[in-house]
Amino acid sequence: GQQLNQSPQSMFIQEGEDVSMNCTSSSIFNTWLWYKQDPGEGPVLLIALYKAGELTSNGRLTAQFGITRKDSFLNISASIPSDVGIYFCAGQLTGNQFYFGTGTSLTVIP
Amino acid sequence: NAGVTQTPKFQVLKTGQSMTLQCAQDMNHNSMYWYRQDPGMGLRLIYYSASEGTTDKGEVPNGYNVSRLNKREFSLRLESAAPSQTSVYFCASSQPDNEQFFGPGTRLTVL
Repeated sequence: GQQLNQSPQSMFIQEGEDVSMNCTSSSIFNTWLWYKQDPGEGPVLLIALYKAGELTSNGRLTAQFGITRKDSFLNISASIPSDVGIYFCAGQLTGNQFYFGTGTSLTVIP
Repeated sequence: NAGVTQTPKFQVLKTGQSMTLQCAQDMNHNSMYWYRQDPGMGLRLIYYSASEGTTDKGEVPNGYNVSRLNKREFSLRLESAAPSQTSVYFCASSQPDNEQFFGPGTRLTVL
C-alpha cells in the first residue's frame, strides 16, 4: 500500500507553545486530511484540504496542502492541555482510496 | 444525528471463535469502510463498500469477511479468530471523494 511518512512520531511541549507536524508521500494525492484521536475514541476530522497550495484554518489549527501534492503540514498555535492526543494525516487518491500516516503523539505539559 | 455507531465496544475471543462487528451510519453516506489500528502502524483498510451491494478488499483483507446489509449498515466478520487479529477496529463512512467520519471503535482481544 501507499506509505505516508508522518513526523515527528511524538512531541512533548509546554502549554502555550506552537506545534508543527508534517506528512510526506511518494505519491500524489487529490485530498489531504488531518484527524485527531483521543484515547479510546475514533479519529475526528480537523481539517480537509482539496487543492494544491491551499491553506486552511480551523481555530488555532492551520494546515496546508503542499504544492507538489505529495505533502501537507499541520500547525497548532498556543497549545492547550486539551490538544493532547494523536494526530493523523491521511491522503486520498480517488473515491474510496484513503491512506493514513502512523500518527504524531502530542503531550502538552501544563 | 448519531453519526457512525459500532457494537460491541469491547470483545474478548478465544482462538478459533467467530464474531461479527456491527457498524451503522445515519448520514446517508454511500461509502463505508472497515479499518484496523495497531500500535505504530496507523490505520489499515480491511474492506470497503463503495455503495450498497458492493464490497472490495483493502490492504489487509485476509481472515475477514464483510456484508453491506443496506445503505446504513456494514458488518465485519471474523470466521475463525487468531491472536494476530487482536486490534482496534474502526468503521467509517463518507460520500465519494469526501472526507471520512469514524465510529468510536471496537477493541478486540483474541486469546
